Amino acid sequence: QKEVEQDPGPLSVPEGAIVSLNCTYSNSAFQYFMWYRQYSRKGPELLMYTYSSGNKEDGRFTAQVDKSSKYISLFIRDSQPSDSATYLCAMGGSNDYKLSFGAGTTVTVRA
Amino acid sequence: GAVVSQHPSWVICKSGTSVKIECRSLDFQATTMFWYRQFPKQSLMLMATSNEGSKATYEQGVEKDKFLINHASLTLSTLTVTSAHPEDSSFYICSARPRTGFYGYTFGSGTRLTVV
Repeated sequence: QKEVEQDPGPLSVPEGAIVSLNCTYSNSAFQYFMWYRQYSRKGPELLMYTYSSGNKEDGRFTAQVDKSSKYISLFIRDSQPSDSATYLCAMGGSNDYKLSFGAGTTVTVRA
Repeated sequence: GAVVSQHPSWVICKSGTSVKIECRSLDFQATTMFWYRQFPKQSLMLMATSNEGSKATYEQGVEKDKFLINHASLTLSTLTVTSAHPEDSSFYICSARPRTGFYGYTFGSGTRLTVV
């Protein structure tokens, strides 16, 4: 079993729809959680950072962390074709600075 | 803020030669930098962790003599692929952890290496 599970998709939605992405994990030591967006042949771009459980909102993006269920989510409201990319969840603990990544979900927003 | 610059964006080299990739934190000091390798349609694979002023820590299965990492200052880390072979062709990405005020890791834009 992988430490971080993420459905690779692909996920296709019409423009304006809500995109829902999620990851589950097994390591209870994870304390900080991130979502990245990666366009083809580019480095990952940090979208959201959350420490411990809770919700965080930034513009059209909402990140949720439920440590009791070991489950994190990212919601993208009013999706745009420019949101078409691969979305990676990443997480880490305080024991070392390494990140564990999900496999990435490929999202296509249709105009 | 929190910008990481990675150069070059792409490079083509001949088998047997060496290639150096630079990773710079432009507006913050990075005590720790990470080097990843990414294969098409796959997630990132950590190669090594470097701390300023000390030797890099390599992940299992990564040849330290082939992938030389130097972290000489709080803003610069380099990855040198020595005696490159076609199987070293890949997308290499660095990331940096800030010395203070951690709000997530910032990644460089990546380097596409093609060995011919």
